[in-house]
Amino acid sequence: GQSLEQPSEVTAVEGAIVQINCTYQTSGFYGLSWYQQHDGGAPTFLSYNGLDGLEETGRFSSFLSRSDSYGYLLLQELQMKDSASYFCAVSKVNKFYFGSGTKLNVKP
Amino acid sequence: DVKVTQSSRYLVKRTGEKVFLECVQDMDHENMFWYRQDPGLGLRLIYFSYDVKMKEKGDIPEGYSVSREKKERFSLILESASTNQTSMYLCASTSGTGGNQPQHFGDGTRLSIL
Repeated sequence: GQSLEQPSEVTAVEGAIVQINCTYQTSGFYGLSWYQQHDGGAPTFLSYNGLDGLEETGRFSSFLSRSDSYGYLLLQELQMKDSASYFCAVSKVNKFYFGSGTKLNVKP
Repeated sequence: DVKVTQSSRYLVKRTGEKVFLECVQDMDHENMFWYRQDPGLGLRLIYFSYDVKMKEKGDIPEGYSVSREKKERFSLILESASTNQTSMYLCASTSGTGGNQPQHFGDGTRLSIL
């Protein structure tokens, strides 16, 4: 099977920067995606890395290093609304495999 | 915007019942997926379908079956519900292959088996 590991919980203050890491044990995948899920809501797509390096989308950036089997999601200028769970996922052919998720708590 | 609609937000059924969860998407996506989400385990793929009448098993297909008779509709069937199938069930759809297409999720069905 596929294995993606994330920290279970991260806490940060409003306005700060936080990095959520994702390490994986799989190969031959197309890319690494990140999803956000608020309590009681549906997961929503945030970003995708098909190639190594950094992808930036507004306050969110995502990074992939295939040689290190590692990726991360970087959230800048944290806002209270960023409190949610964040999942990394790898895509292989038509299948997606998700990590167990990181609960981000943003405090005032 | 893509809309993925799951038929029920909350559902309570009894052990041994046959349970149907329905999912409809409105963007003509080829691929549709059923996941279950449990605390600390993330999203686990049950089944997916890449075309009408086509299906493939995911990581945890035991106790489940699926049906895709029309492109827009993907049904998950619990043949004989058991208490360990109490969970949040999420349906998703995506277009194309390659993984760079985002998955669009429904709001989920929270299923309780008593």
